[in-house]
Amino acid sequence: AQSVSQHNHHVILSEAASLELGCNYSYGGTVNLFWYVQYPGQHLQLLLKYFSGDPLVKGIKGFEAEFIKSKFSFNLRKPSVQWSDTAEYFCAVTDRGDYKLSFGAGTTVTVRA
Amino acid sequence: DAGVTQSPTHLIKTRGQQVTLRCSPISGHKSVSWYQQVLGQGPQFIFQYYEKEERGRGNFPDRFSARQFPNYSSELNVNALLLGDSALYLCASSFVGSPLSYNEQFFGPGTRLTVL
Repeated sequence: AQSVSQHNHHVILSEAASLELGCNYSYGGTVNLFWYVQYPGQHLQLLLKYFSGDPLVKGIKGFEAEFIKSKFSFNLRKPSVQWSDTAEYFCAVTDRGDYKLSFGAGTTVTVRA
Repeated sequence: DAGVTQSPTHLIKTRGQQVTLRCSPISGHKSVSWYQQVLGQGPQFIFQYYEKEERGRGNFPDRFSARQFPNYSSELNVNALLLGDSALYLCASSFVGSPLSYNEQFFGPGTRLTVL
């Protein structure tokens, strides 16, 4: 199974700042990539996913992620964060045709008003 | 639309006891997966069931078992509880399409298990 590393454990930002969260997975092949978000007191929700095609994926709430196959990376970005983006963010990977999600340890994002 | 539901919400057990956690998938979803999320870590895959059969198992001891019922709901059982089993247990359901496709998993709120 894939292993997933997320570069930052905790990120603190001010509103309107740009956000980028790093994610790397362990080996190549055909993969499906995901970013999930967990808002305080809520359950895991899918932010965006990549299966194939354009490596720049747009998700909900203004988030986007770029798949760079040569770097085994799938970094999450948002140009201008809001206080409501305070949450924990998880990167996850499956090998194509597999059903087991391998998650990173998560990054806690705190946005200060 | 009702999402994935799990019960109970919270549970406190002592070492050596057994626990059963329950999950109801989204209507029409035939696959259920279980994950364990220890504090400070990402979810770890435990099991997946599809059409009442186990499709896969993560790196968990035999103390962990699960089953899926004809209505596609599922139970996760953990025997001989250890302190290290304290975690949030997540259930996810998916609508399985073609065998080679990934099917998006929708997560429930989880059951918080505390082992004392």
